[in-house]
Formats: sequence, structure tokens, C-alpha cells
Amino acid sequence: SAVISQKPSRDICQRGTSLTIQCQVDSQVTMMFWYRQQPGQSLTLIATANQGSEATYESGFVIDKFPISRPNLTFSTLTVSNMSPEDSSIYLCSVEYRLGLNTEAFFGQGTRLTVV
Amino acid sequence: DAKTTQPTSMDCAEGRAANLPCNHSTISGNEYVYWYRQIHSQGPQYIIHGLKNNETNEMASLIITEDRKSSTLILPHATLRDTAVYYCIVRVRNGGSNYQLIWGAGTKLIIKP
Repeated sequence: SAVISQKPSRDICQRGTSLTIQCQVDSQVTMMFWYRQQPGQSLTLIATANQGSEATYESGFVIDKFPISRPNLTFSTLTVSNMSPEDSSIYLCSVEYRLGLNTEAFFGQGTRLTVV
Repeated sequence: DAKTTQPTSMDCAEGRAANLPCNHSTISGNEYVYWYRQIHSQGPQYIIHGLKNNETNEMASLIITEDRKSSTLILPHATLRDTAVYYCIVRVRNGGSNYQLIWGAGTKLIIKP
């Protein structure tokens, strides 16, 4: 299992500003994932962050809007840039452990972002 | 795009078995079915996963049809703390040895006393 800590847990931000969300894992992991969960919706993968390489973004998400850092095997940040009210969502950090063909994902508690 | 469809919401009486259905008719032969749940204001929590065979753990059972086009998550004795949104997910290959979880819309399960 993994313990994942996200900071901040929630924030209210002005439009046009940026917020950086931190994700700390209690063990070393190769792959970390950032998800967005819009109000009342399911989870959508934003990007996969591998240590030592650029993040891989899913369709509809771009690096300029959601820059990601992955300086080591236990830490990552996601920045939501030039925010608008449409960015109001829960942002979740996740890691996966693989054992053979089995994969289990663990999630942080999420960062609840409100843009006003 | 989601590869699963689930009912939007369900009720279940406390102490009874909660049966949550999921359709995944386009699932490929090597794609696993995962179930997670999300209790209000928390991150998703892993429940169970399977490929072909039925699976059981301390939390739940997963029944997968022989054609793999649908599955049912069973919480054998539901408690009030099982009230949550339950997500049926397909794990797909995303290039090379990488995999991605494709999340369904989820079923809001309400356990009633």
C-alpha cells in the first residue's frame, strides 16, 4: 500500500492566478498520475508523470495549462495555470503498484479547487 | 471515452447484499475490470479487480460473466459506511507496458437503515 499526501487540501483562488498542488508519497514509485474530477463527475486522467522525463498528457490537456514536475521518485507537483472558474474541480494524485499482471492504484485525498 | 456503463444510483437496506452491475461490452481479452469506491470528500479506494474468474476478498466479490461483457460487484452485508460512489473501471493498455484506468460514471450507492 501507499500513503499519499496532497497539499493544499482545498483552496479558493482568483481567476487568472496559478496554483501548485504538491503530492508526496511514502515510498518510491516510478509512475505518478494526476487526475481531475469535476463536480459530480468521474475521474479524468490529466497526465502521467515519470521521474526523469517529461510528463505525458492526455487528449485535451496541455503542458502550458497544467505544468508538472517530478524531481524524484516520491514527489510531484501539478500547477493549474491562469485559472478560470471552469478549472474548479478536485485534483487527485495517484500512484500504481504492479505485481505481475496485477495493478493497484492508490489515491491522495485530493485538492478541492474553487476559482472565483 | 468510458468503456463501462453503470446505473446512476441504487439503494440497499443495511445488512442486505448490495449488487452493483456494470456493462463493459467492448472490453478486450486482456483488459481487467477494476472497482473503486469514493466516499464523500475522500480519494478513491480500491475494492477488487478481475479478468475472467470470479474474485472474492475481505471487502467484496466480483462476478464476471463468461463473455466478459458485464460484471457485478457484491457487498455481502452492506453497512451504512458503505454509502459511496462505486466506479467500475477497465484497465487498458496505453502504449508499451503502460496501462491506464478508464473510469465509468459511477453508481451512487445509498445504504438505508
